[in-house]
Amino acid sequence: EVQLLESGGGLAQPGGSLRLSCAASGFTFENYGMTWVRLAPGKGLEWVSAITAGGGETKYADSVKGRFTISRANSRDTLYLQMNSLRAEDTAVYYCATKGSSSWYSDCWGQGTLVTVSS
Amino acid sequence: EIVMTQSPATLSVSPGERATLSCRASQSVSSHLAWHQQKPGQAPRLLIYGASTRATGVPARFSGSGSGTEFTLTISSLQSEDFAIYYCQQYTNWPLTFGGGTKVEIK
Repeated sequence: EVQLLESGGGLAQPGGSLRLSCAASGFTFENYGMTWVRLAPGKGLEWVSAITAGGGETKYADSVKGRFTISRANSRDTLYLQMNSLRAEDTAVYYCATKGSSSWYSDCWGQGTLVTVSS
Repeated sequence: EIVMTQSPATLSVSPGERATLSCRASQSVSSHLAWHQQKPGQAPRLLIYGASTRATGVPARFSGSGSGTEFTLTISSLQSEDFAIYYCQQYTNWPLTFGGGTKVEIK
């Protein structure tokens, strides 16, 4: 059974940093592209970032480009999201999700981790 | 960026009735369209990909149709567990984008 477990969320001050982790199990992690998607309070789902299976290619939403960095450690079956220069509008539940078998739809989702940016 | 527009924002339906949700793309996404279901406090769940292919374990009462810019998710007979928010997602171009969601509530 595919399992994705996010961690690392919490309270951060504006301008601060957090690093999210997503621990994967139940599938061959190194074979799958991965994405981060967030759900802000009162808003809809927003795609944040994606990384290919080998980690050689990354994509970002304009809203986080230059501030967030996606990476992965295939030896540890773990996905990361380094979040710098945090803003109040980054407050959201952050989900990791696997890429679909045939394309970049979000297939299996984790339970999410809450990030709150506030002074 | 491809903008995804869902309608209606809220759909009030009685259990056992049919629900029809719409999703429109600002430009063609071919069949690169997925539908996700999200209940409060839970992770999203993939229902449909490729516009019409049900994901593993998704009941047959969920069906997707459309291509290009106009898509529909139909729930043939609403069950109590189907009351949730539904999002469409295009994955033909970067950035990946979601619609604003349709909340299906009990009438």
